[in-house]
Amino acid sequence: GAVVSQHPSRVICKSGTSVKIECRSLDFQATTMFWYRQFPKQSLMLMATSNEGSKATYEQGVEKDKFLINHASLTLSTLTVTSAHPEDSSFYICSARLGLAGEHIRNEQFFGPGTRLTVL
Amino acid sequence: GQNIDQPTEMTATEGAIVQINCTYQTSGFNGLFWYQQHAGEAPTFLSYNVLDGLEEKGRFSSFLSRSKGYSYLLLKELQMKDSASYLCAVSEDGGFQKLVFGTGTRLLVSP
Repeated sequence: GAVVSQHPSRVICKSGTSVKIECRSLDFQATTMFWYRQFPKQSLMLMATSNEGSKATYEQGVEKDKFLINHASLTLSTLTVTSAHPEDSSFYICSARLGLAGEHIRNEQFFGPGTRLTVL
Repeated sequence: GQNIDQPTEMTATEGAIVQINCTYQTSGFNGLFWYQQHAGEAPTFLSYNVLDGLEEKGRFSSFLSRSKGYSYLLLKELQMKDSASYLCAVSEDGGFQKLVFGTGTRLLVSP
């Protein structure tokens, strides 16, 4: 099956520092990747849609200057949390969609294992 | 706007059957997914419905009624390992075909 990895799995940082999270599709090419944030006991909230070679599309209320997304290749997207603060502490999950929209019967997203960010 | 509702929590007994409902009101529709998520882990795919009716897959079944904006996930022969959160997600049509997630249902299976 389609495998998505994330690195790091856990990160603890001081307030004011920046943290980069990598999302990789290991055995398939992903034109589109998605970044989600999940607070404890809540559901996944989409932050942004990342397309290879173009600027990310951010959801309403998500600061694009704070959450920098780069999708430089068909297998790698990165999320950088800049000047992190304690309220940014959360579980960040990426997903990747197989191929191009419309090419497959279902536009299933494959999820990475998530990154637990704790900002002190 | 997008609105997807699920019960917050449910409890059931090992060996029993449980039905988790999901109602949705979305601006577009290109299928409905059910995911299972254990605490601290990523969601894993359970089922996909795009046409009305029942899809069966082992102990898990999912039903969709597009006219009613309604789906349910049916879990049979519950096992302790089924204790998890169950997420209903609607895929938008057009554009990036984003997934909009429901609030999630925490299921606790007791002996």
